[in-house]
Amino acid sequence: SQELEQSPQSLIVQEGKNLTINCTSSKTLYGLYWYKQKYGEGLIFLMMLQKGGEEKSHEKITAKLDEKKQQSSLHITASQPSHAGIYLCGAASSSSGGGADGLTFGKGTHLIIQP
Amino acid sequence: GAVVSQHPSWVICKSGTSVKIECRSLDFQATTMFWYRQFPKQSLMLMATSNEGSKATYEQGVEKDKFLINHASLTLSTLTVTSAHPEDSSFYICSARSMGWDSFQLYEQYFGPGTRLTVT
Repeated sequence: SQELEQSPQSLIVQEGKNLTINCTSSKTLYGLYWYKQKYGEGLIFLMMLQKGGEEKSHEKITAKLDEKKQQSSLHITASQPSHAGIYLCGAASSSSGGGADGLTFGKGTHLIIQP
Repeated sequence: GAVVSQHPSWVICKSGTSVKIECRSLDFQATTMFWYRQFPKQSLMLMATSNEGSKATYEQGVEKDKFLINHASLTLSTLTVTSAHPEDSSFYICSARSMGWDSFQLYEQYFGPGTRLTVT
């Protein structure tokens, strides 16, 4: 079965600083999703990557998928208190194609922004 | 972005009773919905895949007779926890995949706000 390892497990960053969260898969990824969760709440969709070398940005958040499709990174520029939360990467299985399967998630990275 | 709702947001029930949780896609049609469970300070674990008009597919180790799933329409899936026990207490989250049949296209998946179940 596919496993996703996220690093770091937790991160404390001073407001305004940049940060990177990594997600490494034990198998080649068919697709990779990034979500943000606040404790006890649902997941907020951030980005979805499918092609090797793909990079997407939204506001101050950039996500990349490496060429081999086994590692993804999430980069936040000039962090703000609103960025605090738990960031989860989720992998789509290729067993049936089309992202038709549910996602396998990493354990999450807990991000704290210090004012 | 697409909106997925869940009802109720939290529920407390007595051991042995059944609880139904609803998952609705509000502004799009979802051919496929997924049910996850999340224990405190842990990540989400996929329980089952719910396809409109057909039987749900359960992950290994998930009891299909205990967690009944019904996907009656393109906007509604329900999860019923039957004969609930304290160990079923958890945070249950659904997600909905936007409609499409392209086997090579990765589709966005949107999550509901979750339902916290406490069994006493």
